[in-house]
Amino acid sequence: GENVEQHPSTLSVQEGDSAVIKCTYSDSASNYFPWYKQELGKRPQLIIDIRSNVGEKKDQRIAVTLNKTAKHFSLHITETQPEDSAVYFCAAELFGNEKLTFGTGTRLTIIP
Amino acid sequence: GAVVSQHPSRVICKSGTSVKIECRSLDFQATTMFWYRQFPKQSLMLMATSNEGSKATYEQGVEKDKFLINHASLTLSTLTVTSAHPEDSSFYICSASLDRALMYNYGYTFGSGTRLTVV
Repeated sequence: GENVEQHPSTLSVQEGDSAVIKCTYSDSASNYFPWYKQELGKRPQLIIDIRSNVGEKKDQRIAVTLNKTAKHFSLHITETQPEDSAVYFCAAELFGNEKLTFGTGTRLTIIP
Repeated sequence: GAVVSQHPSRVICKSGTSVKIECRSLDFQATTMFWYRQFPKQSLMLMATSNEGSKATYEQGVEKDKFLINHASLTLSTLTVTSAHPEDSSFYICSASLDRALMYNYGYTFGSGTRLTVV
């Protein structure tokens, strides 16, 4: 089955700076890669996703890049704000297998 | 659109009792629902996949007789934790996959989660 690794586990960034979280996946047949933001005790919220036919996707301050050859994808948050503080999870879906495998999570703290 | 409603949000039960958690898709039909368990400061671990009208598929290591899943309709899936013990205390979240045929709506939507505490 699919295995997703995520780094770093914790990340502290000064407000206004950028944050980058990286994930690697094991199965080259994976073709859908969402990123979720989860606040304490709440449901995961989709912040951005990317399909395997695209190398990069951007939505305002958030971007995701995908390197299919290396089997890794990254989340980039620019101009960070205190409300960006949360736990972020990457995930991967194997083509033809309708379920997500989650990374281990990154606790992002934005320092005012 | 594509909202999943999960109840209850919190439940405290005595050891040995059973607890039922419900997930309803409010504005779409969920052929497939997923049940996750999340321990504090850990990731979401898939427990089982439930398909409407058929038996659920459980992940390795998940006891199907302890975690009973019923998906009797296209809008309701339930997870019953039977004979709950303190080690079952966790955050349980359901999720539904969105219609794969609608490429603009591809993805998953999550319930709000249930915090189960077994005392």
